[in-house]
Amino acid sequence: ETGVTQSPTHLIKTRGQQVTLRCSSQSGHNTVSWYQQALGQGPQFIFQYYREEENGRGNFPPRFSGLQFPNYSSELNVNALELDDSALYLCASSLGGQGGETQYFGPGTRLLVL
Amino acid sequence: GQSLEQPSEVTAVEGAIVQINCTYQTSGFYGLSWYQQHDGGAPTFLSYNALDGLEETGRFSSFLSRSDSYGYLLLQELQMKDSASYFCAARGGSGNTGKLIFGQGTTLQVKP
Repeated sequence: ETGVTQSPTHLIKTRGQQVTLRCSSQSGHNTVSWYQQALGQGPQFIFQYYREEENGRGNFPPRFSGLQFPNYSSELNVNALELDDSALYLCASSLGGQGGETQYFGPGTRLLVL
Repeated sequence: GQSLEQPSEVTAVEGAIVQINCTYQTSGFYGLSWYQQHDGGAPTFLSYNALDGLEETGRFSSFLSRSDSYGYLLLQELQMKDSASYFCAARGGSGNTGKLIFGQGTTLQVKP
């Protein structure tokens, strides 16, 4: 059984650029959630995808967008990067479209915006 | 609003017992989860309480009281490797939205 994987592990961008982060869900899971975690803070929910449809969104602006593919892997896209977007981006996979109870997290992508 | 409050830091010695409390305010409450995160690592699931009472998993136990909007994580026989951040989390929203709201985290330092 393959766990949740994310790529890249680290990324440095400059303000105004765009970034795409990728996540492969755990085998058998059809739901992917994305979180932003600033240093010393808890993860903040960005959005969730269930069977390729957005299934809930947190308080993030539209420049944060996502996709889920038929194999349930997912992308997080962030346009017009700002300094405050520097954070650890985590994806978590789960089964069933609710995802609130048990989520399996990937190792994260650490994004630095200069 | 929706929020979960937990202490920012807790310190204990190896072999001791420590309790990390969490109070919550969410709409459409479905249950309380606990996650552990080591520095630089991914959060890992520890436990979930949907109903009032105590759930035990090895050295870790978790408790929920819906009437008090309160829960706690109990760690027994503390080991150095238990030094980590611990997050309580609850599902916000209603229906099938999967929004999971996390507390700010409690940093546990275990001393020899």
